[in-house]
Amino acid sequence: DAGVIQSPRHEVTEMGQEVTLRCKPISGHNSLFWYRQTMMRGLELLIYFNNNVPIDDSGMPEDRFSAKMPNASFSTLKIQPSEPRDSAVYFCASRKQESYYNEQFFGPGTRLTVL
Amino acid sequence: AQKITQTQPGMFVQEKEAVTLDCTYDTSDPSYGLFWYKQPSSGEMIFLIYQGSYDQQNATEGRYSLNFQKARKSANLVISASQLGDSAMYFCAMREGLVGGGYNKLIFGAGTRLAVHP
Repeated sequence: DAGVIQSPRHEVTEMGQEVTLRCKPISGHNSLFWYRQTMMRGLELLIYFNNNVPIDDSGMPEDRFSAKMPNASFSTLKIQPSEPRDSAVYFCASRKQESYYNEQFFGPGTRLTVL
Repeated sequence: AQKITQTQPGMFVQEKEAVTLDCTYDTSDPSYGLFWYKQPSSGEMIFLIYQGSYDQQNATEGRYSLNFQKARKSANLVISASQLGDSAMYFCAMREGLVGGGYNKLIFGAGTRLAVHP
């Protein structure tokens, strides 16, 4: 079975540009999470969805960040306008809420560099 | 206050020896779960092992075991017979609340970088 799929794997953009990160969760999973990882701040939860509904977006840094999940198999994280401090690795993870361990399965990440 | 504390930024171990990575947690919720993830240099996050707060026995998965001391609020990862491929970052994480509850996000520690030497 395919794991969590993220695209692009690497993104280099200039300050002020719009960036869209994409995620396809594992089929049958009903929770989806967006994380950001930096050396300074570690792994931070940005937002998570249950059954396509945003449950907690308290980790979204500011209004420049937005996330959507239009259906069970697709989610986007958008940054507009992007800034150099947004440079990080962005992970998407999914989970089947009813699973015994309730563990999250992570995608390979998108490494974002904002110049 | 830190909910998950990993006090060892870096550890090293000789190949074939055992190593313990420390994790302490803080919660007032009687129902919680503790996870360990491995992040090799390639960047992906790999789930290793899980311990539920009501589990009577320490969790084990192959060479990984979790030394769960509930009263001390610690959940240390023990890797036996270390291999070169175990070199990676290791993250401890906690889920508060019952499995299937509506608010089941994970809180991650800062991680410990393990280096296995030949």
